[in-house]
Amino acid sequence: GESVGLHLPTLSVQEGDNSIINCAYSNSASDYFIWYKQESGKGPQFIIDIRSNMDKRQGQRVTVLLNKTVKHLSLQIAATQPGDSAVYFCAEKWSGNTGKLIFGQGTTLQVKP
Amino acid sequence: DVKVTQSSRYLVKRTGEKVFLECVQDMDHENMFWYRQDPGLGLRLIYFSYDVKMKEKGDIPEGYSVSREKKERFSLILESASTNQTSMYLCASRRDRNYGYTFGSGTRLTVV
Repeated sequence: GESVGLHLPTLSVQEGDNSIINCAYSNSASDYFIWYKQESGKGPQFIIDIRSNMDKRQGQRVTVLLNKTVKHLSLQIAATQPGDSAVYFCAEKWSGNTGKLIFGQGTTLQVKP
Repeated sequence: DVKVTQSSRYLVKRTGEKVFLECVQDMDHENMFWYRQDPGLGLRLIYFSYDVKMKEKGDIPEGYSVSREKKERFSLILESASTNQTSMYLCASRRDRNYGYTFGSGTRLTVV
């Protein structure tokens, strides 16, 4: 069905530790995935994306891993900082449809000083 | 820097009023979207447009309409505001279906 799920609603990490946010997607035909960050009172902000022909993509302090076998997506944040505290959404795009993004419910990342 | 600009950050309107939420993008993007975001319900698609003067219903279009007379502007209209339309409204745009969305900062609408 049309759903993208996250494994945990809230993740609490110590400043300086690495964070891993997980996402399960439902449609094996999805060909594009995105992670967004949303700070309180603001709109979602693009973090990183990955297409289905890749398994891993790195950005600045962030890495996205895609496991198509188990339909799993993860966002890794290295050396988590207080400014990383936010809600993180994964989104998938199904190939062959109108190209709308299907969003997950979001995981709240809390960074403890 | 590319931008999606929503005209108001906060709005308070009365029940029954006609409300216009404006969104402008400066990236020459083809596609534009309106979402509302509510606690526990996530992002829900209201309407979208793939080109000028084109519009398509999303998942929750009831009580809303849209207008896209120019490529850069996508307006959301609440024909007769009701209290259950109190929400955060997010506009987004993208180059085409092979890309992700760029979101605006959102408009928090309160209907009293």
